[in-house]
Amino acid sequence: DGGITQSPKYLFRKEGQNVTLSCEQNLNHDAMYWYRQDPGQGLRLIYYSQIVNDFQKGDIAEGYSVSREKKESFPLTVTSAQKNPTAFYLCASSIPLGGTGELFFGEGSRLTVL
Amino acid sequence: GESVGLHLPTLSVQEGDNSIINCAYSNSASDYFIWYKQESGKGPQFIIDIRSNMDKRQGQRVTVLLNKTVKHLSLQIAATQPGDSAVYFCAENISLRGYSTLTFGKGTMLLVSP
Repeated sequence: DGGITQSPKYLFRKEGQNVTLSCEQNLNHDAMYWYRQDPGQGLRLIYYSQIVNDFQKGDIAEGYSVSREKKESFPLTVTSAQKNPTAFYLCASSIPLGGTGELFFGEGSRLTVL
Repeated sequence: GESVGLHLPTLSVQEGDNSIINCAYSNSASDYFIWYKQESGKGPQFIIDIRSNMDKRQGQRVTVLLNKTVKHLSLQIAATQPGDSAVYFCAENISLRGYSTLTFGKGTMLLVSP
């Protein structure tokens, strides 16, 4: 079935460590997004990519990095520079050009820093 | 586990009641709006959408109303069921040079009692 797969679903990290969250989609969508979700704050955009080999910072990009080497994949690295990384991370994809703007979401990855 | 709904506005209804969830959006240039439903620990799921050239759209048990004059969006759920309990987000889309950017509201938690 077509969809977006995020892994791992749960991840624990020690302070000072980098960690990479995986996001893969087989929807043939051009655009992919990473959002962070904290209690009571909705979804905040970290990074987005409208096309392979190109990506843009969102509202809260500091302490994060991404790559978009393949259309299907948009991994997010949470670096040690991110001061408060414990959160629920959501990956999404969409058809940007001529599309409605609807985002299709993965099931999320919950990162906890110990 | 950690709840995405912590500190969110909450609407509590009885099973069978009609529910109305409200959302104020910020940008008068927004051309497309979406309501998402998010169950605990999962990614948001599309419920219904509406374009800015419409003021009402109906789906199965759900209706979205758009008032552009006051930049207000509402989601009406008829005959609310316990399975409707979730956090509901509105999102506004702005199209720039053919690309879409979604901005999410903070969400409202709907609690349905049997």
